[in-house]
Amino acid sequence: EADIYQTPRYLVIGTGKKITLECSQTMGHDKMYWYQQDPGMELHLIHYSYGVNSTEKGDLSSESTVSRIRTEHFPLTLESARPSHTSQYLCASSGQGAGYGYTFGSGTRLTVV
Amino acid sequence: QKEVEQDPGPLGVPEGAIVSLNCTYSNSAFQYFMWYRQYSRKGPELLMYTYSSGNKEDGRFTAQVDKSSKYISLFIRDSQPSDSATYLCAMSQGSNYQLIWGAGTKLIIKP
Repeated sequence: EADIYQTPRYLVIGTGKKITLECSQTMGHDKMYWYQQDPGMELHLIHYSYGVNSTEKGDLSSESTVSRIRTEHFPLTLESARPSHTSQYLCASSGQGAGYGYTFGSGTRLTVV
Repeated sequence: QKEVEQDPGPLGVPEGAIVSLNCTYSNSAFQYFMWYRQYSRKGPELLMYTYSSGNKEDGRFTAQVDKSSKYISLFIRDSQPSDSATYLCAMSQGSNYQLIWGAGTKLIIKP
């Protein structure tokens, strides 16, 4: 079944640690996105990619980095986690861009202590 | 001022009632309008998609777009407890533009 997968679902980690949030999709979509979502707030775009070896920063300033070496894989890395990084991180993909809607993963709930 | 405004709620309605959810926006260039439903601890899922103005119906759900008023609505008929979720509106100028999101309205259907 075509889908988009995020791991881990929940992560509690200490300040200063390096973490990678995984995102994989089986739909062959070219476009992939990372969003940050806090309770009661709109989704904020932090990174996006329109294809292999193409990555861009979104509207929300972020200390994270992403890579897109394979079409199906779009991991997000925090080199040094801080309590301000505590949030829900959502990965999404789209076959034809914003006009046709996104498919989202279930998200990673990150807590930095 | 945000480009897309959405009342965060919560909105509580009795089971079986008609629900009306709304978003207003400021950018007249938006052409694609969507509604997503998000259950707790899950990612958003696309519920309704509309291009330009008009109505679109899918089962118990109807999406309306009024571009002259910069106002979009989602109606849910015969609401069920399983409809309890956060509903997010999103819109875009076109397929090569990013989606702009509302903050979401939390809907609670009371049995």
